[in-house]
Amino acid sequence: AQSVTQPDIHITVSEGASLELRCNYSYGATPYLFWYVQSPGQGLQLLLKYFSGDTLVQGIKGFEAEFKRSQSSFNLRKPSVHWSDAAEYFCAVGGRGTYKYIFGTGTRLKVLA
Amino acid sequence: NAGVTQTPKFQVLKTGQSMTLQCAQDMNHEYMSWYRQDPGMGLRLIHYSVGAGITDQGEVPNGYNVSRSTTEDFPLRLLSAAPSQTSVYFCATILPGTGGTEAFFGQGTRLTVV
Repeated sequence: AQSVTQPDIHITVSEGASLELRCNYSYGATPYLFWYVQSPGQGLQLLLKYFSGDTLVQGIKGFEAEFKRSQSSFNLRKPSVHWSDAAEYFCAVGGRGTYKYIFGTGTRLKVLA
Repeated sequence: NAGVTQTPKFQVLKTGQSMTLQCAQDMNHEYMSWYRQDPGMGLRLIHYSVGAGITDQGEVPNGYNVSRSTTEDFPLRLLSAAPSQTSVYFCATILPGTGGTEAFFGQGTRLTVV
């Protein structure tokens, strides 16, 4: 079965601390992987994506993610969190030739001043 | 360039009422889709369309109808609203590419059915 698991529903970090959000996927074909961010009352904005090549991908707002095929993971990281990073983060998987994305249930990030 | 525009942003319906959620895009993308977002469940695909005149069901299609008469518009219809349809609805288009795809989302419609 195809699925995306984000095991952390809520994460709280202090401003300036490092961040890692976990994402594990199950997908029958070569996966295309995405991280989206949703600020309160807003739509989803693409942070970064992985299709092939270098397994460490850089995104906007200082985020990066690493694809680990052996672990079926695509964890999102940021070395130093800013208060404006407080939002909900979604991991998603798709594949070549399909336009159907499978989303995880999201991780809500709270940033302490 | 507006991207993906959804209207209305907020709506309250009574059980049994009907309504149409509008979605328009100016990106000339063939693929459009509707998702609903519920707490703890992420986004779930309701219906999608790969081009004008072509629609198909997603993961949770019951209670919803769609049509695609133009590339630009992809309305979602609730024929008889139920409290279980209280949700936030997102329309998305996807830019295909040889290296993969990227989805662009509207700002969402928050629907409450009482």
